Amino acid sequence: DVKVTQSSRYLVKRTGEKVFLECVQDMDHENMFWYRQDPGLGLRLIYFSYDVKMKEKGDIPEGYSVSREKKERFSLILESASTNQTSMYLCASRIGGGLGYGYTFGSGTRLTVV
Amino acid sequence: LAKTTQPISMDSYEGQEVNITCSHNNIATNDYITWYQQFPSQGPRFIIQGYKTKVTNEVASLFIPADRKSSTLSLPRVSLSDTAVYYCLVGDALSGSARQLTFGSGTQLTVLP
Repeated sequence: DVKVTQSSRYLVKRTGEKVFLECVQDMDHENMFWYRQDPGLGLRLIYFSYDVKMKEKGDIPEGYSVSREKKERFSLILESASTNQTSMYLCASRIGGGLGYGYTFGSGTRLTVV
Repeated sequence: LAKTTQPISMDSYEGQEVNITCSHNNIATNDYITWYQQFPSQGPRFIIQGYKTKVTNEVASLFIPADRKSSTLSLPRVSLSDTAVYYCLVGDALSGSARQLTFGSGTQLTVLP
């Protein structure tokens, strides 16, 4: 089975800190994604990547950046954390470009910014 | 983009069959319908996928009428552990931008004892 591993389950950071959320997948998937999930809003796409060093903005990229230096690793960066970035962050990977290939999600990182 | 509409929440009792319907009026010819399940504090996981008629696996069945403008996820004899949020997604099976796939708010299924 494909495994998507997020480095932390829970994080507490202070306002203004630079925060790194790490995600690693072990099945050579080309596509990787970062979502955030908030009550009543479902999953919202922040950034995604189709290949190493490639990235595209999702629906809510403001305040975030990403890095994909290796195929298996996709990092989400909060340049200067703010309280409105308190959320559950979910990383996902997918082997191909279409829905038919299916997403595999990590267990999520619950980030609290104080 | 095929927008989907699902009920926000549903309640059921243990042992009952649960049917969750998703509307997708502007589904495209190449689009497939996929359902995901999400438990609290976990990422969504794939349940079932189909294109038309009926698909069944060990977890659920998916019914898709001929016009494909809706689909129904059927969970047989639910248990307390089926309490979760269920998402319906519609998109091209082989290609397409991730931006085109939105999970929406899903349907919160609560199974009562």
